[in-house]
Amino acid sequence: GQSLEQPSEVTAVEGAIVQINCTYQTSGFYGLSWYQQHDGGAPTFLSYNALDGLEETGRFSSFLSRSDSYGYLLLQELQMKDSASYFCAVRKAAGNKLTFGGGTRVLVKP
Amino acid sequence: NAGVTQTPKFQVLKTGQSMTLQCAQDMNHNSMYWYRQDPGMGLRLIYYSASEGTTDKGEVPNGYNVSRLNKREFSLRLESAAPSQTSVYFCASSEQGGGYGYTFGSGTRLTVV
Repeated sequence: GQSLEQPSEVTAVEGAIVQINCTYQTSGFYGLSWYQQHDGGAPTFLSYNALDGLEETGRFSSFLSRSDSYGYLLLQELQMKDSASYFCAVRKAAGNKLTFGGGTRVLVKP
Repeated sequence: NAGVTQTPKFQVLKTGQSMTLQCAQDMNHNSMYWYRQDPGMGLRLIYYSASEGTTDKGEVPNGYNVSRLNKREFSLRLESAAPSQTSVYFCASSEQGGGYGYTFGSGTRLTVV
């Protein structure tokens, strides 16, 4: 079996930093991805971590610890447009099939 | 613009009706996927096609069939729609193999009454 746990909702103000945690339990693990989805829109790819450590892409960073079965997405210098749902997703086999978590809704307030 | 195109965008079906959701990508990707997303929830994999000529079941395949028509096109068919299949359906594509991000279509919002 497999499961991914992430908080359901996070609220923060503009300019703040938000960390969205994701813990996973899978029978196999190749990597952890993050996706952003605005209300009514399609998910868009943010990042992928296969190895331990931090990957930085602009204001967003993603971290993975394989030994702890844990990762997080860090959103810095929050902007109103960052209000969206964020999903972690596990790649558990050699192909690129993903299993998604339930998503974290981030609400950015002025 | 390059991307994944899904049709239709909206559909209302009566219980027992059938329909096919169409998906086409023009990025020359090998792998294609069908997910469903219920309100306030994550995406669940229905079927996927790792490469042209292959299809495999995902987490929730019951009540669905798929056809990988060619490298560009991957269709999802509901043979006898049920209210439990009311959902938003997303098609996605990616390069085959490790860690490539998915490109999603804009989704089909299906209601079964």
